[in-house]
Amino acid sequence: KAGVTQTPRYLIKTRGQQVTLSCSPISGHRSVSWYQQTPGQGLQFLFEYFSETQRNKGNFPGRFSGRQFSNSRSEMNVSTLELGDSALYLCASSHRTVANTGELFFGEGSRLTVL
Amino acid sequence: GQQLNQSPQSMFIQEGEDVSMNCTSSSIFNTWLWYKQEPGEGPVLLIALYKAGELTSNGRLTAQFGITRKDSFLNISASIPSDVGIYFCAGQLFPYDKVIFGPGTSLSVIP
Repeated sequence: KAGVTQTPRYLIKTRGQQVTLSCSPISGHRSVSWYQQTPGQGLQFLFEYFSETQRNKGNFPGRFSGRQFSNSRSEMNVSTLELGDSALYLCASSHRTVANTGELFFGEGSRLTVL
Repeated sequence: GQQLNQSPQSMFIQEGEDVSMNCTSSSIFNTWLWYKQEPGEGPVLLIALYKAGELTSNGRLTAQFGITRKDSFLNISASIPSDVGIYFCAGQLFPYDKVIFGPGTSLSVIP
């Protein structure tokens, strides 16, 4: 079955702009998590959505937001971009059952460069 | 907050050698996971551990859930060039909680 699909794969923005990234989970997966990956900080948890509701949230400023649609597709938005927001943004989906909520399936990521 | 440490940070080994890496935390986790990331790809789950003391294998990979619940180990036997990548440990305190990732161990295999 198709994996997690993230769009766009690459994008360049300038400081102060905003950006929206999209994630389509594996069919049947209702949980979507977002991570920011940078060389210095590794994989940092942003937030998780399940059934259109944010279930978990990381320690990022309010400029980072997300949402999930009824078909489980998710978007994340970063407003007022800063240079430090340059990173690979990874989306991961999961079944989110009690037995395996930690088992995440990642997309290839969206690489954001802020100039 | 919850934080994971991995060692070593990077490894350069000869093809055929065995590899050991570990992950530690100052707080307990009830689920430990190991992921591998190759260039241009997202991380891929290798092994999931759900019980303290559990030892689980996946081919040439073996991982253990530490008795204290504060550490985990990953061993790779008879390394091959396709083992190259970054290996991340990850922990989850309870079901439905966020999954926290360690900083990763970069593995290079010299043919």
